[in-house]
Amino acid sequence: KNQVEQSPQSLIILEGKNCTLQCNYTVSPFSNLRWYKQDTGRGPVSLTIMTFSENTKSNGRYTATLDADTKQSSLHITASQLSDSASYICVVSALRNNNDMRFGAGTRLTVKP
Amino acid sequence: DTEVTQTPKHLVMGMTNKKSLKCEQHMGHRAMYWYKQKAKKPPELMFVYSYEKLSINESVPSRFSPECPNSSLLNLHLHALQPEDSALYLCASSQLVGSNQPQHFGDGTRLSIL
Repeated sequence: KNQVEQSPQSLIILEGKNCTLQCNYTVSPFSNLRWYKQDTGRGPVSLTIMTFSENTKSNGRYTATLDADTKQSSLHITASQLSDSASYICVVSALRNNNDMRFGAGTRLTVKP
Repeated sequence: DTEVTQTPKHLVMGMTNKKSLKCEQHMGHRAMYWYKQKAKKPPELMFVYSYEKLSINESVPSRFSPECPNSSLLNLHLHALQPEDSALYLCASSQLVGSNQPQHFGDGTRLSIL
């Protein structure tokens, strides 16, 4: 079982609408959680990174939340634009090793006009 | 434009060919990574270099051979690949190896094995 589960698998919304993507994890001990945006045919780009003590972090129209107690994170996109169409990947790191990063399968978001 | 540059963008090769993928960054990062990404799947870690030394090899077959000639360059040498090796190969870098270090990704090389 993957230690990072994302939902929904895919999502279609109309331009201008808001949406929220979910990430649940079991990675332990927790170090940090990142949200990446990956456009088709491009490499992932970091949107936010949050450590244990951070509940919310914003990057423009993107707002990530973290509940370390319930091991849940969300990425909220406000006033969506066509350019938001991409895969959004949740990555959770453990404190165990130098590079113990666990990738979620991603949510494929399509924003339609 | 990304700060991590990968070449070529696309590569088609036969199973008997030898080719190399290249990755370059000039951010002064001392950690560099190779990932493999299949369609609609997240990236899978292959190799990690720290200060030009291989620190992690995620049980990658020997037909993939990484090389870090200096702190700015990372190569992936390919030989006798299989059709299932067709994928997007992503390079990334971070200041240091560490789970709280943000990784900067290149746009990848799309590899097709005939």
